[in-house]
Amino acid sequence: KAGVTQTPRYLIKTRGQQVTLSCSPISGHRSVSWYQQTPGQGLQFLFEYFSETQRNKGNFPGRFSGRQFSNSRSEMNVSTLELGDSALYLCASNNVPSGGHGYTFGSGTRLTVV
Amino acid sequence: ILNVEQSPQSLHVQEGDSTNFTCSFPSSNFYALHWYRWETAKSPEALFVMTLNGDEKKKGRISATLNTKEGYSYLYIKGSQPEDSATYLCAFMTGTASKLTFGTGTRLQVTL
Repeated sequence: KAGVTQTPRYLIKTRGQQVTLSCSPISGHRSVSWYQQTPGQGLQFLFEYFSETQRNKGNFPGRFSGRQFSNSRSEMNVSTLELGDSALYLCASNNVPSGGHGYTFGSGTRLTVV
Repeated sequence: ILNVEQSPQSLHVQEGDSTNFTCSFPSSNFYALHWYRWETAKSPEALFVMTLNGDEKKKGRISATLNTKEGYSYLYIKGSQPEDSATYLCAFMTGTASKLTFGTGTRLQVTL
């Protein structure tokens, strides 16, 4: 059974650019969540999608957006990148919206903004 | 703003030692408490999802307890092994949210 796949693994962008990260959940999982980890901070919740609907959003500026497709794959987009957006972005999936047996995480996308 | 706190921040033990960590979370509007293990260069891996006050879960040498009335959970590792070296994260879920609020983790290092 394939795990949660995130692409790309690493990304270097320049301030002001925009970036799109992709997450393919485990087959059959309809809930996809995104988290950001920066040095010194725990995992911070970005947003959660279930059946193509954003059900929850964290305290991030509007430059951070996301969507989910009918096949449950999800993308997140960050526009007008800032140096502080440099982080590890993790995606997690679950087959139930309430967390069930725990979330399965991908390996993450490491974004560096220069 | 929900606050999930974990202690200690880091721990260094010898192989064979038993150890435990604490996770404190808000006691109101509780829905679930998750524990994850995050090894370096890997993805966080779910250990336990606990929902009921008094819950006790066990997976091999690792076990966890939950007290929702006072807002804490303990994670125990019996007979630590080098492969237990990782960061252990707890995460809190409220009854009205579909998100996890994570603590900053306890980093465990087990040496021979």
